[in-house]
Amino acid sequence: AQSVTQLDSHVSVSEGTPVLLRCNYSSSYSPSLFWYVQHPNKGLQLLLKYTSAATLVKGINGFEAEFKKSETSFHLTKPSAHMSDAAEYFCVVSGRANDMRFGAGTRLTVKP
Amino acid sequence: SQTIHQWPATLVQPVGSPLSLECTVEGTSNPNLYWYRQAAGRGLQLLFYSVGIGQISSEVPQNLSASRPQDRQFILSSKKLLLSDSGFYLCAWSVGGRLGYTFGSGTRLTVV
Repeated sequence: AQSVTQLDSHVSVSEGTPVLLRCNYSSSYSPSLFWYVQHPNKGLQLLLKYTSAATLVKGINGFEAEFKKSETSFHLTKPSAHMSDAAEYFCVVSGRANDMRFGAGTRLTVKP
Repeated sequence: SQTIHQWPATLVQPVGSPLSLECTVEGTSNPNLYWYRQAAGRGLQLLFYSVGIGQISSEVPQNLSASRPQDRQFILSSKKLLLSDSGFYLCAWSVGGRLGYTFGSGTRLTVV
């Protein structure tokens, strides 16, 4: 069985400050982990994925995430937030072909 | 390259009317196909998935049905819509869960 918990339903940062979106996972298998971003009324776009290669994964738009097996975490970070980063972010865990589990989402607000 | 098309983008339907949402994928063969629903302020709920033509698995009992008449076509239907069917519907495809999903742009359904 797999599950993912996004620890914050809403995160608010000021433009130019760092972003941290937290995700913890549980998996009976060696997991693949993903972060997706969704802007209002849009589909989900893949930001980055971890599939058992390097534990520090770099994605699009300056985001990165680090897989920490000992902490069962896959937190998403960005050094400096832009206004365009305001969106909803989903952490996803996958162990098998049809068993992808989505977190409840974290809404990121960026203040000018 | 692979692309996924989902339409319509928005739909307003009266209670009791039928529904048909279509999703097609290009540039790949025998994809796994998925329908998700995202209700307001909530995460993604997997409704149906399909691993091949005519093969449909339902994750939750509901007022909806799905069909896959062709390899790269996935249709979400209802004979009589309920108010609770309102939401944002997303189609997705994958060639294996460990590689992640690619999502369509979504359909905003409002049942009035």
